[in-house]
Amino acid sequence: EAGVAQSPRYKIIEKRQSVAFWCNPISGHATLYWYQQILGQGPKLLIQFQNNGVVDDSQLPKDRFSAERLKGVDSTLKIQPAKLEDSAVYLCASSFRPNSGGRETQYFGPGTRLLVL
Amino acid sequence: GQQVMQIPQYQHVQEGEDFTTYCNSSTTLSNIQWYKQRPGGHPVFLIQLVKSGEVKKQKRLTFQFGEAKKNSSLHITATQTTDVGTYFCAANLQGAQKLVFGQGTRLTINP
Repeated sequence: EAGVAQSPRYKIIEKRQSVAFWCNPISGHATLYWYQQILGQGPKLLIQFQNNGVVDDSQLPKDRFSAERLKGVDSTLKIQPAKLEDSAVYLCASSFRPNSGGRETQYFGPGTRLLVL
Repeated sequence: GQQVMQIPQYQHVQEGEDFTTYCNSSTTLSNIQWYKQRPGGHPVFLIQLVKSGEVKKQKRLTFQFGEAKKNSSLHITATQTTDVGTYFCAANLQGAQKLVFGQGTRLTINP
């Protein structure tokens, strides 16, 4: 079974530039998550999709971050404009069903390492 | 603020020594999951605990969920160099769908 795919693996940009990340979840997984992992910290949920609908985006900085999952499969996360503090690893994860009661295993992709200069 | 606290932040041991990391919350947890992240890698699911007082074992790893469902621990017996990495607990707070991760415990091992 193929895992969660992400691209690019690395990205270096200057502040105020824009950047986009792509994620392809495991086939058949209805729920997709984007996490931000700052160096030395645990992953922080940015947004959770159930099929193509948003379940939770309470921690997404909506003035600069946006995400979509138009057809309920692939997803893109965009930052516009980027700030220095956005330097982090952006992890995509998927699970088969919604995380109701926390009973679903989340499978993580390799992540995109973003460095903002 | 941080709702799931994990200690210690770092632990360095000699190969063969035991290792324990603790996860605590001020609120009741629906469940707790444990993940391992190798250096440069991504989190990989290890186990999930759901019941109060639950104990699960995976070879040299023992996972416990507290009776009050507010704390958990991961214990590794006789560490090996392959155990190197950061261990995260992650939990659903009562009634919430969102998984909240602890800060992680980074384990390094002297061979």
